[in-house]
Amino acid sequence: KQEVTQIPAALSVPEGENLVLNCSFTDSAIYNLQWFRQDPGKGLTSLLLIQSSQREQTSGRLNASLDKSSGRSTLYIAASQPGDSATYLCAVSGTDKLIFGTGTRLQVFP
Amino acid sequence: NAGVTQTPKFQVLKTGQSMTLQCAQDMNHNSMYWYRQDPGMGLRLIYYSASEGTTDKGEVPNGYNVSRLNKREFSLRLESAAPSQTSVYFCASSPVRVEQYFGPGTRLTVT
Repeated sequence: KQEVTQIPAALSVPEGENLVLNCSFTDSAIYNLQWFRQDPGKGLTSLLLIQSSQREQTSGRLNASLDKSSGRSTLYIAASQPGDSATYLCAVSGTDKLIFGTGTRLQVFP
Repeated sequence: NAGVTQTPKFQVLKTGQSMTLQCAQDMNHNSMYWYRQDPGMGLRLIYYSASEGTTDKGEVPNGYNVSRLNKREFSLRLESAAPSQTSVYFCASSPVRVEQYFGPGTRLTVT
């Protein structure tokens, strides 16, 4: 059974820092991996999707990498801003279903 | 293009009452999903529909039923609500094996 773990569970940093959020999964037979952002009381917003054949994806200040063989993905946030404060979730897909981690709650203070 | 919409946004039920959560998408996606989100548990899949006319159980289907009414709509029904079903419910849709798009959620409290 696929299990997804995110470390750390919470993170508080000053504005301007570069951040790395970690996601690990137990079964490397995935089809893709998706990173989401969730603001308090809101739904999920897709940030990046990495297909299993890809190593990384970039969008603005965000970069996500995927290492299937080691069962790991990282989300790199450059030059963090207070507006980046949210919970970040990773999810892996083996077929049509996503298995989610429990998220990293990020707070960026001015 | 509204994406994925869910109704209602909030609902309070008494134990034993029934209700249906509605979800619709206007992106012509084949697959639709229902999740619940609980503190410390992350999102868990309740049911999904890979295409119109098909539904399958997810990780936590007990106490729920679903209907894929047409390609656009996928409803979730609680026949006899229990306090353990207090949660935030999210609907999502996707083309096959591509990224999923989520609705804003329904906050359900069962007393």
